[in-house]
Amino acid sequence: EPEVTQTPSHQVTQMGQEVILRCVPISNHLYFYWYRQILGQKVEFLVSFYNNEISEKSEIFDDQFSVERPDGSNFTLKIRSTKLEDSAMYFCASRGLANTGELFFGEGSRLTVL
Amino acid sequence: GDSVTQMEGPVTLSEEAFLTINCTYTATGYPSLFWYVQYPGEGLQLLLKATKADDKGSNKGFEATYRKETTSFHLEKGSAQVSDSAVYFCAHTKGSYDKVIFGPGTSLSVIP
Repeated sequence: EPEVTQTPSHQVTQMGQEVILRCVPISNHLYFYWYRQILGQKVEFLVSFYNNEISEKSEIFDDQFSVERPDGSNFTLKIRSTKLEDSAMYFCASRGLANTGELFFGEGSRLTVL
Repeated sequence: GDSVTQMEGPVTLSEEAFLTINCTYTATGYPSLFWYVQYPGEGLQLLLKATKADDKGSNKGFEATYRKETTSFHLEKGSAQVSDSAVYFCAHTKGSYDKVIFGPGTSLSVIP
């Protein structure tokens, strides 16, 4: 069964460092998303991406964040200068053309900022 | 604005008890509705979905019916199992690119 894969599963970084989280969406999907979940809290939308551009972003997705689809398979989230409050689980998701709307999520990347 | 409200957790049930987790939503138009489940240490898995009014989604013994008149999508299971212990998120689609908006989650523990 096709699945969304994310790397790394866990990353520890120092405050102020750049972090890149990587995702390989399901191969025939066209819509890509990043969500985050601070420990024990709700799952928050960060950004959606379609046709090689951002289609929507939330207030959380400020200038420190960027996304890229550098090739035909990877979808990355970059945090330019991490802050303590960026510590969270980051989930990548993708969706196909079928208009039932469900997203397929990866296992998540846990980011710990010290 | 669009939102999802779920019953407060944590919820603790005895094995084989009837399971229900309430969910109501606020949305414009006709969103698709979902229940996602997150087992300890894992990602989000789609449990079931319903795409239009009066649809019943079902999977693994769980059911939820899309009630547009009450804007609800309550999750039910006739007999809870210890393996059902997880966090359950009610969610709905929003917007032309169908991002999904999640409720706060309800932590469920089923004890033997």
